[in-house]
This record gives sequence, C-alpha cells and structure tokens, in this order.
Amino acid sequence: QLQLQESGPGLVKPSETLSLTCTVSGGSISSSSYYWGWIRQPPGKGLEWIGSIYYSGSTYYNPSLKSRVTISVDTSKNQFSLKLSSVTAADTAVYYCAIRAGYYYYYMDVWGKGTTVTVSS
Amino acid sequence: QSALTQPPSASGSPGQSVTISCTGTSSDVGGYNYVSWYQQHPGKAPKLMIYEVSKRPSGVPDRFSGSKSGNTASLTVSGLQAEDEADYYCSSYAGSNNFVFGTGTKVTVL
Repeated sequence: QLQLQESGPGLVKPSETLSLTCTVSGGSISSSSYYWGWIRQPPGKGLEWIGSIYYSGSTYYNPSLKSRVTISVDTSKNQFSLKLSSVTAADTAVYYCAIRAGYYYYYMDVWGKGTTVTVSS
Repeated sequence: QSALTQPPSASGSPGQSVTISCTGTSSDVGGYNYVSWYQQHPGKAPKLMIYEVSKRPSGVPDRFSGSKSGNTASLTVSGLQAEDEADYYCSSYAGSNNFVFGTGTKVTVL
C-alpha cells in the first residue's frame, strides 16, 4: 500500500517561492502509471486542486494557479515536488499530496497527512 | 474553473438520513460520470468515500451512497452515526486532467 508524506518549510515570506516535497513509500514512483498530485486547503476553507504530474512527466495545473506552479518528479529519491512562486498570504494553507491511480481513475484515493504552510514576513 | 456549490451545513439525528448536494456545470459534474466524495474529520486528511458518482471503495459502509442528475450530484448518508460527523467535499473531473472540488458541507449529528 502506497503511503505519502509531505515535507517542507512551514513559513515562507511573501513574494518568495514555496517548495514542498512528497515522499512516496511502499512502491516506486517510476514504476507506477499514477498521477502524483497536490491539493491545498486554506484555514477554515475548502479544498483546492493545484495540479498533478503523470508518471510520463506530463503536467496538469489548475488554470487559476498555472502561471505560478511547477510540479516535478525525482525518481532517484522516490519523491515529487511542488513549487509555487510569488506567494502571498492567500497561499497560506495545508498542502496535501495525493495519488490518482491512473488514466481511467478520476479520483484521489491515497492522501498524505498534509503540511501547513504560512506565508508571512 | 469555479468551485462546485455545496450547502454549508446539513444535520440529522442518529439513525436518520442526510443528503448533500453538489452543483456544477455541464463542463464538470454534468459532463462526466466522474464525481467523487471525500470525508474529512477535523485536522485529518480527506478520505475517499464515493467515486464515479455511486461506487464505494472497499471498507466504506454501504450507508454511504451517491447519485447524479444533470449538473447536480448528491451524497446520502443513511442511518447516521456519530462518527459520520465531518466535513464532506465533492469533486468532479473537469476535462484535460483537471479537477474541481466543492465548497464543502459540514454534517452535524444531532
């Protein structure tokens, strides 16, 4: 059973780049035809899909965040990452990594526990 | 893509049923049979409860059921139990490998 664990700085300054990593355990990130994704949840608010990367390297981003988001995979470390540039207080949220099991699967069935990121000077 | 619309809250007594709606557009909910529902307890990660409108993952009680009509999907929790008290979010495929979530509904067991 695949498991995910988010990690990264809990505090980021405005205008800087938020960088998070999701470590995959229980399987190889390169041997599975999964989509590796990120979702966030501002305090007291709902979930927002950020984007995902297919095992082939193709990326898909929320149109509202597309200009600031980069998702990548590091197969040597069995990790995938999120970078969000030019952050503001509105990017303060719990960030979750999650797995979509493949091309014919239109849901996320494995989630990390989440990591809180605060944007503040 | 705009968030799907859910009622902010719903409630029921133990043993009763509660139904949550999730309204989107023809570009998401109405265009695909790929609506999923997630349960989230405070401080916890979301948990998949329903996928492809009405299918339940292994381990999810059959008290949880889903349906869809046009641009609106629904989640029904029958035989409410105390542990069902949580936030519930719908999600829909929106084409081009994009997804959109609902605004969330807080279910209270009275």
